[in-house]
Amino acid sequence: GENVEQHPSTLSVQEGDSAVIKCTYSDSASNYFPWYKQELGKGPQLIIDIRSNVGEKKDQRIAVTLNKTAKHFSLHITETQPEDSAVYFCAASSGNTPLVFGKGTRLSVIA
Amino acid sequence: NAGVTQTPKFQVLKTGQSMTLQCAQDMNHNSMYWYRQDPGMGLRLIYYSASEGTTDKGEVPNGYNVSRLNKREFSLRLESAAPSQTSVYFCASSELAGGFPQETQYFGPGTRLLVL
Repeated sequence: GENVEQHPSTLSVQEGDSAVIKCTYSDSASNYFPWYKQELGKGPQLIIDIRSNVGEKKDQRIAVTLNKTAKHFSLHITETQPEDSAVYFCAASSGNTPLVFGKGTRLSVIA
Repeated sequence: NAGVTQTPKFQVLKTGQSMTLQCAQDMNHNSMYWYRQDPGMGLRLIYYSASEGTTDKGEVPNGYNVSRLNKREFSLRLESAAPSQTSVYFCASSELAGGFPQETQYFGPGTRLLVL
């Protein structure tokens, strides 16, 4: 089955700097890659997703890139702000199997 | 709209006790899911319901049962709780029915369960 590896497990950045979180997946049939943000004490919330027919997608300060050949995808957050501090999860799905989540990255933005 | 609601927010059980975690959504979604979240393990799917009247096992179903009571409600039951079931449980829903729709899943606030 699908296996999703996520790195790093923790990340600290200065406010205003960029943050990058990377994920790799094992199933070449996977074609949907969402990213979820989980704030303390809350459930995860979708922030951006990408499908395999697209190499990059941007939404304001957030972007996701996908390399199908290498089977990896990354989340980029620019101009980080304290409210970006949270746990971020990547996930992958082929449409024939449930979403498989990475183990999460705890991002701390230091003011 | 309340979105996805879960009750209770927190529960302490003794080993061997049973309980039911409740989940309801008011978005008229067809698919519903139960996940557990453990430190360093991410989110793992316990059971899901691809439409009203259907349920299927996910990655970690042992020790759990589910009921899709109607389109709105999806409950998770622990028949005989074990310390290994100490976790945070999240219910989620998504709009489309059938299989594993590749669309936004909306999560509830979670239930923290401690089994002593």
